[in-house]
Amino acid sequence: DTAVSQTPKYLVTQMGNDKSIKCEQNLGHDTMYWYKQDSKKFLKIMFSYNNKELIINETVPNRFSPKSPDKAHLNLHINSLELGDSAVYFCASSRRTGRETQYFGPGTRLLVL
Amino acid sequence: DQQVKQNSPSLSVQEGRISILNCDYTNSMFDYFLWYKKYPAEGPTFLISISSIKDKNEDGRFTVFLNKSAKHLSLHIVPSQPGDSAVYFCAAKSSGNTGKLIFGQGTTLQVKP
Repeated sequence: DTAVSQTPKYLVTQMGNDKSIKCEQNLGHDTMYWYKQDSKKFLKIMFSYNNKELIINETVPNRFSPKSPDKAHLNLHINSLELGDSAVYFCASSRRTGRETQYFGPGTRLLVL
Repeated sequence: DQQVKQNSPSLSVQEGRISILNCDYTNSMFDYFLWYKKYPAEGPTFLISISSIKDKNEDGRFTVFLNKSAKHLSLHIVPSQPGDSAVYFCAAKSSGNTGKLIFGQGTTLQVKP
């Protein structure tokens, strides 16, 4: 059973479209994260939710909107996709905030044409 | 401004020898450091961590060394095995409770049989 799962694994879409990426964790964790890995391979935090409350919101265009319907799910909706949004998006979760180990999903490879 | 840097994009070692992966950081507020390992098409997985109050942490074949005065840490893998071939990410966390990690850009390790 996959601990942190993401759907879809691959997403190819046109500029200007709106798309969503879903993340689910079955670890019983309270905290979830979204990271973006760009073409230079840096992994950068975008958002974090703890018990469905937003606790990290990095400098991310407001076209990106996270939504946490419950503690086990953190979805990422992207409006008006741009070429620069092409990247690998990783979801992660941890038991709580602080120094807890973060467990990552397999990633969603987004390509905007 | 990249606060965590891994200046070697790649490293190749012979099976059985030592692998040394390096990481430098600039922010003196970082108090916890981690190494993650990533295979292709998978998410990063936690490998080992070290608190800023220590200078060494060992777990089996993996040892992390921290030199706070030099703002430098390194991961030693002894002996290296072909299954260790992966991308290794260094990450740092500053004091505070959000769990926000700052990642380096990764070093690709190849262990040759």
